[in-house]
This record gives sequence, C-alpha cells and structure tokens, in this order.
Amino acid sequence: DVKVTQSSRYLVKRTGEKVFLECVQDMDHENMFWYRQDPGLGLRLIYFSYDVKMKEKGDIPEGYSVSREKKERFSLILESASTNQTSMYLCASSPRRPTSYEQYFGPGTRLTVT
Amino acid sequence: DAKTTQPTSMDCAEGRAANLPCNHSTISGNEYVYWYRQIHSQGPQYIIHGLKNNETNEMASLIITEDRKSSTLILPHATLRDTAVYYCIGVNYGGSQGNLIFGKGTKLSVKP
Repeated sequence: DVKVTQSSRYLVKRTGEKVFLECVQDMDHENMFWYRQDPGLGLRLIYFSYDVKMKEKGDIPEGYSVSREKKERFSLILESASTNQTSMYLCASSPRRPTSYEQYFGPGTRLTVT
Repeated sequence: DAKTTQPTSMDCAEGRAANLPCNHSTISGNEYVYWYRQIHSQGPQYIIHGLKNNETNEMASLIITEDRKSSTLILPHATLRDTAVYYCIGVNYGGSQGNLIFGKGTKLSVKP
C-alpha cells in the first residue's frame, strides 16, 4: 500500500515562529503536493514539486516556502507563522504518469497558530 | 478545468447502493472525471476516474453519460464506513500538472 506520512497530526505554534511540516512517501513518486483545507474553502494548493530540488507555486504560496532535497521527502515551511495560517495541511504524492492524476494523501496536520 | 456541481448532501441505507450524481456540463473533450472521498479527519482518498467509458474497480463504478455532461458514482453496497464527503473533479491533463481543484462535494451519510 502507498503510504504518505506527515510529521505531526496536531501542532500548536505561536505567532512569528518558524514552522516545519514534513511529508514522506514510500512509493518512489515523482510528484508531491502541499494543500491546505479550510471550512467553506475546500482544498487549496500551496506548492508542488515534480522532482528533487524542483518546486512550483500553487494557488496560495504567499507566506510559505518548500524544500525537496530527497525524492521521498517534501517539507512545507512557514517562515513566520500567523493566525491566518491556522488550518489543516495535507500532503499528497503521485507518480508521473501521463494518464492519471491519482494522488495519495497523508492524514493531515492540524496546525493552530496562537 | 470543468466546473462541477454536486448535491450538498445525501443519505443512503446501509447495504443499499449509493448513487452520487455530478453535473459537469462545461466539460471539454479531453477532460477526465475524477472522484475522491474524504472520511472525517483523514486525507482525501482516490476512488476512480474516467473519460467517456463506464469504469469499475474494487471500490465503485463510474457511469458517464454519452454527452459527458454528467456522471454518477455508484457504491454498490454502502457500509457505515462509506460515510464521507465525495468530490467530483474535472481534470484537464493539458492544464496545470497534477493540480486537483476540490469543490464542496457531497456529504454522504450511510445510515443503519
């Protein structure tokens, strides 16, 4: 079974702190994604990556950065956390197939910024 | 990518078939229809996808109308564990790579 794991299920941070969210997948997938999910807004793409050291901005990259130093690992960084970044963060991975957008999601990290 | 419209919520009796409709009247010829679901407090889970032919896998069946303006996801024997929000997503492979745009979905409640 494909497994996507995220470093924490729940996280509480203070405003201004630097926050690292880590995602690891074990299926040798080329593509990895970070989404955030908020009530009434659905899932929104923050960043994605097609390969090691490559990254592309999604729909809402402001206030976030990412790092992909190894194929299996994709980190989301909040440089200076703010209360409006309180959200559920979901990581996903997918193989690079031309005929499938089948993405595998992790369990999510519920981040609260106080 | 096509805009999709789904009912906000549906109920289904345990053991019966759950038929979840999706309208995608603006879908273009090369856009696929994908279905995902999200069980409470979990990440979304891929279910099935199709272009114009009906598709079936171990989880569900997907029926796409001949004009491709709508589709129905069928869970043949719904269980309590199928209670979730179901998302119908139109995907253009020529568009943004891998970007899935989730709408509000249908909240399916399977009742005993």
